[in-house]
Amino acid sequence: DTEVTQTPKHLVMGMTNKKSLKCEQHMGHRAMYWYKQKAKKPPELMFVYSYEKLSINESVPSRFSPECPNSSLLNLHLHALQPEDSALYLCASSHRGGGGVGSSETQYFGPGTRLLVL
Amino acid sequence: DQQVKQNSPSLSVQEGRISILNCDYTNSMFDYFLWYKKYPAEGPTFLISISSIKDKNEDGRFTVFLNKSAKHLSLHIVPSQPGDSAVYFCAASAVSGAGSYQLTFGKGTKLSVIP
Repeated sequence: DTEVTQTPKHLVMGMTNKKSLKCEQHMGHRAMYWYKQKAKKPPELMFVYSYEKLSINESVPSRFSPECPNSSLLNLHLHALQPEDSALYLCASSHRGGGGVGSSETQYFGPGTRLLVL
Repeated sequence: DQQVKQNSPSLSVQEGRISILNCDYTNSMFDYFLWYKKYPAEGPTFLISISSIKDKNEDGRFTVFLNKSAKHLSLHIVPSQPGDSAVYFCAASAVSGAGSYQLTFGKGTKLSVIP
């Protein structure tokens, strides 16, 4: 089973709203990732959690706040977003975040949350 | 600076023929390479990968070839089927300064398999 689930599937929010995206995996993976993908572009890495600790923040604005409550869950809290933040937000997980052989670094992606900021 | 390049934005192939998708990279630190398939508004689906110590990996209709000296890899799909029509992303992995593996994606190639 290589399933990563994400909720909600679609989200429309105003610029003053606060919302959260959720991601869950039950593969025992210890690394989890948030990506942002705009149309006709490759996924862009936002955050990496390794063993529930934030290990990479790719200079993402503070209006995006990640949280990893446990090894299976990853949240992305959204506040005061801008219309240009509208995109597909993808969660991914891998066996471990580093120090393993290549195959353990295969990232499995969820279906994404389609976010529209009005 | 684009470290992973997919120079063909699109490719059309007749059903039953071979599809060859190409990818070039510049960073010698990449040690693991992956291909993902993506349908619109869905997450990328992992297809096949190859370690830098190998030059070929095969899984059913999909074969990935790696030429380290040329910093080039390719994905072969044979025979191509209409259901293979999607965007294919090449990705390369290396350990970041923070000790985590990071994927660097190419811009993708849209494959259309014509019945």
